[in-house]
Amino acid sequence: NAGVTQTPKFRVLKTGQSMTLLCAQDMNHEYMYWYRQDPGMGLRLIHYSVGEGTTAKGEVPDGYNVSRLKKQNFLLGLESAAPSQTSVYFCASSSLAGRYEQFFGPGTRLTVL
Amino acid sequence: GESVGLHLPTLSVQEGDNSIINCAYSNSASDYFIWYKQESGKGPQFIIDIRSNMDKRQGQRVTVLLNKTVKHLSLQIAATQPGDSAVYFCAENRGGSARQLTFGSGTQLTVLP
Repeated sequence: NAGVTQTPKFRVLKTGQSMTLLCAQDMNHEYMYWYRQDPGMGLRLIHYSVGEGTTAKGEVPDGYNVSRLKKQNFLLGLESAAPSQTSVYFCASSSLAGRYEQFFGPGTRLTVL
Repeated sequence: GESVGLHLPTLSVQEGDNSIINCAYSNSASDYFIWYKQESGKGPQFIIDIRSNMDKRQGQRVTVLLNKTVKHLSLQIAATQPGDSAVYFCAENRGGSARQLTFGSGTQLTVLP
């Protein structure tokens, strides 16, 4: 099993450009999450999903949109990138049963110039 | 607002010594806590968890202690090794949907030779 994968690993954007980050998990998890991590800080929840076709806002949702058309995929979109969105983005997934553990992907380092 | 926080941002220990990483939380409704380890350039990795109905849980070389009276959580690592050098985060579930976790800002553990 690959676990949680993220593409791309790195990306540089200019202000105003758009992009989509892709997260995929092969553990048949119901819940999926997008976080951002800024230097010296913990992870902050952007959006999350409790199942296919459903999404909800987290702590810092402004400037981002998400979609979960398939259970195994969770997409994070930036419609008009801003320098404040320079960060490392992590995707995670979790089962609705058992431990509350979230399994994390390797991250995407995004720089907005 | 309520937050999960850490007492010390950095901790240096000699190889072979025991490490203790502390975490304070302020939400008395939190019922589940997790410790994560994050190595440089990687996503967070689960270490150990504990439910609020417990005060101690042991894993391989790690022990988590929970003191609900003072809302304090600690991670003890026995016989610290160079591979333990990483940032350690505590996270709590405050009862939100989708098993959401709120992360602290992290402690950088450095193991000295």
